[in-house]
Amino acid sequence: GQQLNQSPQSMFIQEGEDVSMNCTSSSIFNTWLWYKQDPGEGPVLLIALYKAGELTSNGRLTAQFGITRKDSFLNISASIPSDVGIYFCAGLPMEYGNKLVFGAGTILRVKS
Amino acid sequence: DAGVIQSPRHEVTEMGQEVTLRCKPISGHNSLFWYRQTMMRGLELLIYFNNNVPIDDSGMPEDRFSAKMPNASFSTLKIQPSEPRDSAVYFCASSFGVGQPQHFGDGTRLSIL
Repeated sequence: GQQLNQSPQSMFIQEGEDVSMNCTSSSIFNTWLWYKQDPGEGPVLLIALYKAGELTSNGRLTAQFGITRKDSFLNISASIPSDVGIYFCAGLPMEYGNKLVFGAGTILRVKS
Repeated sequence: DAGVIQSPRHEVTEMGQEVTLRCKPISGHNSLFWYRQTMMRGLELLIYFNNNVPIDDSGMPEDRFSAKMPNASFSTLKIQPSEPRDSAVYFCASSFGVGQPQHFGDGTRLSIL
């Protein structure tokens, strides 16, 4: 089946540092989504990407849809303590209609 | 605006009991999804509906699991009989059409003793 390789698995960074995480696949995706999940809550949509090469920002977050349509990255600039959580990438493959494929998640911890 | 609403938020029950999880999607969304999240397997899609019709239930683990969507504003996921290995967080999500971003509820944390 479809798989997304998300890395890194976890990060422990200093407040104020920039963060970068990415997802790759051997398959082509129509849409890339980035979610954040806080403890005890559901994933919250951060950014949605619909076109190859698209670069989209949401405050301190920036995400890009890779040119090959097989990868995406998420950057967080000037991290703050409330950025702590699990970040998931998710993609809609071309041939699977409405079924999102999720990465395993990146656990982000921030030191004050 | 109200997001996806799930109930109950927590459920603890003994194995063998019937469990019913409930979901109200975002108004106007016509696709609804049920997921299960565990540490070992991450987020797994169980079943999804378009316009109240089940489209793909290939992720439903066993016949003990069933899902219904009697109308556009309500869905249930039922486990009967429940087993300890069903313990997980169950999420409902909805989207406005095929290929659109899915919005998640806060989940039901299910513990089967």
